[in-house]
Amino acid sequence: EIVLTQSPDTLSLSPGERATLSCRASQGVGSSSLAWYQQKPGQAPRLLIYGTSSRATGIPDRFSGSGSGTDFTLTISRLEPEDFALYYCQYYGTFGQGTKVEIK
Amino acid sequence: QLQLQESGPGLVKPSDTLSLTCSVSGGSIDINGDFWGWVRQSPGKRLEWIGSISYSGRTYYTSSLKSRVTLSLDKSKSQFSLRLTSVTAADTAVYFCAKIIVAASNWFDPWGQGMSVTVSS
Repeated sequence: EIVLTQSPDTLSLSPGERATLSCRASQGVGSSSLAWYQQKPGQAPRLLIYGTSSRATGIPDRFSGSGSGTDFTLTISRLEPEDFALYYCQYYGTFGQGTKVEIK
Repeated sequence: QLQLQESGPGLVKPSDTLSLTCSVSGGSIDINGDFWGWVRQSPGKRLEWIGSISYSGRTYYTSSLKSRVTLSLDKSKSQFSLRLTSVTAADTAVYFCAKIIVAASNWFDPWGQGMSVTVSS
């Protein structure tokens, strides 16, 4: 079973800064098979990226995904106040443990 | 706009069966190729995929719950359901239903708001 490990656990940044979140798979996965979600307290997750690099409907272009093999990245080019949240990567039935993006 | 809403009991006794329903509005649940799924989130833990069901009723379950879980579809009511038997405190979680945007991908969008379920006597 594939395990997804996200890093860092917490990312402390200021609005306007660039955020780079990592997701590492325990073994190689298809290059177009990873998804990323955003979750805010008390809310359901929201799909941001699917197929490793495709933005979901309504997701602003400051969010981008990349990667292949075992290493994948979610990049938020310039953090907006509403972007401070928890982020999860997913490969089929497996989710990462999450990265919290908090205000510095 | 497609919307999903979970419903069911918020409290279940240990060893009992948990039954949840997801009602779908704003769209059809009977579209060739569509898949629907359930995900749960226990306190302080990562998201856990429970299972998925296709428009034709074909089911897929996570291995750790396979012996206890059943998904079903009721197209006449635009609903799909989750049944989890022999629950324990470890099944306490927020349960989400969601649509899968690409067949068999498990990419979930949109999600229901979630149903908090506590297993306790």
